[in-house]
Amino acid sequence: NAGVTQTPKFQVLKTGQSMTLQCAQDMNHEYMSWYRQDPGMGLRLIHYSVGAGITDQGEVPNGYNVSRSTTEDFPLRLLSAAPSQTSVYFCASSVTGTDNFGNTIYFGEGSWLTVV
Amino acid sequence: GENVEQHPSTLSVQEGDSAVIKCTYSDSASNYFPWYKQELGKGPQLIIDIRSNVGEKKDQRIAVTLNKTAKHFSLHITETQPEDSAVYFCAGRASGAGSYQLTFGKGTKLSVIP
Repeated sequence: NAGVTQTPKFQVLKTGQSMTLQCAQDMNHEYMSWYRQDPGMGLRLIHYSVGAGITDQGEVPNGYNVSRSTTEDFPLRLLSAAPSQTSVYFCASSVTGTDNFGNTIYFGEGSWLTVV
Repeated sequence: GENVEQHPSTLSVQEGDSAVIKCTYSDSASNYFPWYKQELGKGPQLIIDIRSNVGEKKDQRIAVTLNKTAKHFSLHITETQPEDSAVYFCAGRASGAGSYQLTFGKGTKLSVIP
């Protein structure tokens, strides 16, 4: 069981370049999300999706696009990379359901991005 | 929205001693509080969580307590071991079947000294 898989693990971009971080999960989770992690800032939500065809913005969405064409995949696109987007990116997923307490969120192993 | 404060930011303990990390939250509607452990170069992994309908939960050497009145919750690790060294994050989530987003604290770097 692979869980949440992110690619690439490491990437160096030049300012202005675009790229896509890939995320796939094999747990049939409806909810998927992207976080970025910066020193001393914890994890901040970029975008999320509650199912195929549905996406919404999180706390820090500027400069990023997402789409959800399938349940399994949730790619994150950087449209024109900036040094401020140097960070570690984590994809996460969980089931959705009727439990008012919510469900466990599982994280991928991370993608380290440097923009020079 | 929810705001989660976490203290301390760094914590050093001797092997075998206990470690306590504390978090406070602002949204009284929050009812789910997970704790994640992040080892160097890895993604966060859930180690324990607590729901607002209980005050304490234990799993071997780790426990979490919740005080809804004061809006704070704490992670307790007993008999610490070197492999407990990591960054720990607390988080909170508001109630409701349509609410999935977690708000994280800024993390605590725990070092267990052999």
